[in-house]
Amino acid sequence: DVKLVESGGGVVRPGGSLTLSCAASGFSFGDYAMHWIRQSPGKTLEWVCLMSEDGDSAHYADSVKGRFTISRDNNKKSLFLEMKSVVHEDTAIYYCVKMRGGDVWGQGTAVTVSS
Amino acid sequence: DLVMTQSPLSLPVTLGQPVSISCRSSQSLDNVDGKTYLIWFQQRPGQSPRRLISKVSKRDSGVPDRFSGSGSGTNFTLQISTVEAEDVGTYYCMKGSLPFTFGQGTKLEI
Repeated sequence: DVKLVESGGGVVRPGGSLTLSCAASGFSFGDYAMHWIRQSPGKTLEWVCLMSEDGDSAHYADSVKGRFTISRDNNKKSLFLEMKSVVHEDTAIYYCVKMRGGDVWGQGTAVTVSS
Repeated sequence: DLVMTQSPLSLPVTLGQPVSISCRSSQSLDNVDGKTYLIWFQQRPGQSPRRLISKVSKRDSGVPDRFSGSGSGTNFTLQISTVEAEDVGTYYCMKGSLPFTFGQGTKLEI
């Protein structure tokens, strides 16, 4: 089964940090660029960032640039999102997504920024 | 910044009837490689999104042929020929190249 499983969400104070993880299985992880996409409560989807297949390049939405860092470990079939200096607007469900070929989404992990 | 605008935002439908959702981009999505990277997603209640259509009109594997996409440049449309109960949910268009940008979503309700 092709699967993505996110973890690491939780409650974090404004200005705090959190790292999300995504475990991939059932496909050749290192052959695909990977995305993080988030969805605020009751709101639309927002693309957050993208990492290339080999981990050499990353792209970020302006809303997270300089605060979030995407990384991957192809040997461990894992994708990560390090979130720093979080703000209330970062409250969302964060999805790990494989877009090329057949798309695959995880079930999401919820991040709540609250004091 | 590029903006994707969907209409309507809410769409009451009748089973068996056709529906049409519009997506407009503030800039042309026609790419220099000759392709247009416009994607449609479906999100059923309580589920993660799934892609229905890529590059304007290419249906993903397993997507029923009652779903079709069309358009070019800045104007795109998702059509469902005959709505079924399982189609209830929210539909999003997305610019499928950097920076990826979603529309606000169109909620289909029966």
